[in-house]
Amino acid sequence: QQQVKQSPQSLIVQKGGISIINCAYENTAFDYFPWYQQFPGKGPALLIAIRPDVSEKKEGRFTISFNKSAKQFSLHIMDSQPGDSATYFCAASTNNAGKSTFGDGTTLTVKP
Amino acid sequence: NAGVTQTPKFQVLKTGQSMTLQCAQDMNHEYMSWYRQDPGMGLRLIHYSVGAGITDQGEVPNGYNVSRSTTEDFPLRLLSAAPSQTSVYFCASSYSPGQGQYFGPGTRLTVT
Repeated sequence: QQQVKQSPQSLIVQKGGISIINCAYENTAFDYFPWYQQFPGKGPALLIAIRPDVSEKKEGRFTISFNKSAKQFSLHIMDSQPGDSATYFCAASTNNAGKSTFGDGTTLTVKP
Repeated sequence: NAGVTQTPKFQVLKTGQSMTLQCAQDMNHEYMSWYRQDPGMGLRLIHYSVGAGITDQGEVPNGYNVSRSTTEDFPLRLLSAAPSQTSVYFCASSYSPGQGQYFGPGTRLTVT
């Protein structure tokens, strides 16, 4: 049973465009929703995270939108740049569960 | 502050051999975990630990053992390597399961 479903699997965006990656979760006990960015040959790095008490969090060009009733959250990358080309993972966790659950990842390519 | 370190970076094993992947963190994090990453399958949790002396299984624990004798170290042991264990292995740590994780640079393992 996959508890976090991520889409799309791959995404191609023109430079300056908006990249949108979506995730849906099943376990309503999840209370922490991070996004990770991974470049080839490197480990994932925490990009931005949100808790369910807010509907949106913005850090620079990166925004998380959170819809608690729909059990969905998404990552928006504004003014996408070629340097944003990477694989992005969403995740969900709760202290009580003792572990995080990851989506399968989205490979983003930003064309110059 | 080195963060999360992993050794070795690359390893080739023959079927049936055993080895230990090392992981250390210097951030005094209680929570540590091991993931494997295979193409198209995202990050799959092997084992995790919520503190020294406490470990638990993730979603793909078969063929792997862990122990946590100190806060800093969380080694992963392959008991009898199999070709199906060819993968990239990441160690991660955080203050708690409900917070963002810091990942190491990974170990690329090939089993022939």
